[in-house]
Amino acid sequence: DTGVSQDPRHKITKRGQNVTFRCDPISEHNRLYWYRQTLGQGPEFLTYFQNEAQLEKSRLLSDRFSAERPKGSFSTLEIQRTEQGDSAMYLCASSLDQREQYFGPGTRLTVT
Amino acid sequence: GNSVTQMEGPVTLSEEAFLTINCTYTATGYPSLFWYVQYPGEGLQLLLKATKADDKGSNKGFEATYRKETTSFHLEKGSVQVSDSAVYFCALSDRGSSYKLIFGSGTRLLVRP
Repeated sequence: DTGVSQDPRHKITKRGQNVTFRCDPISEHNRLYWYRQTLGQGPEFLTYFQNEAQLEKSRLLSDRFSAERPKGSFSTLEIQRTEQGDSAMYLCASSLDQREQYFGPGTRLTVT
Repeated sequence: GNSVTQMEGPVTLSEEAFLTINCTYTATGYPSLFWYVQYPGEGLQLLLKATKADDKGSNKGFEATYRKETTSFHLEKGSVQVSDSAVYFCALSDRGSSYKLIFGSGTRLLVRP
């Protein structure tokens, strides 16, 4: 068990560009979550997958954001037409059913 | 809606001092409660959890008791170390279909030698 991994760890992009992040959950975990954390705040829920199905999305997830989890394994989070307000740490977590969630190291996004 | 409120930091203590970080919650139903810790430059780590009223979670000398009557889950440690310096987050698990976590804003702890 190597834990939850995320790639890249850091991403700097210019406003208006598209970015994509990847999350690899713990292998036997069927649930996968995305959160966003801004400086000095706790993480905020973005979206949740059970296996390959996206079952809940936060109102924080504007139509510029899309997430997928093909085949119920890794997940991607894409942000189109990035804005400076998208600058944050994007965290992925996984769990087995409704048990505790384990977090990855996060992807820090900076939009210039 | 569900929410978590934590005491504001930073909390600055000398090594071997007693630690309390207050956490209260608002929730419908009976959520599970968690403390996560974030060390500098690292991701969130689960520190401890409690799933029902009067449960006590404990790990690495830290403890927290699920108090339904006061809707609280305060984190305590009898003797802190410099290595405990980190940001601590209280969270509840929303027992809807997703069990998503709702976090407090975090409390930074600085322990001085």
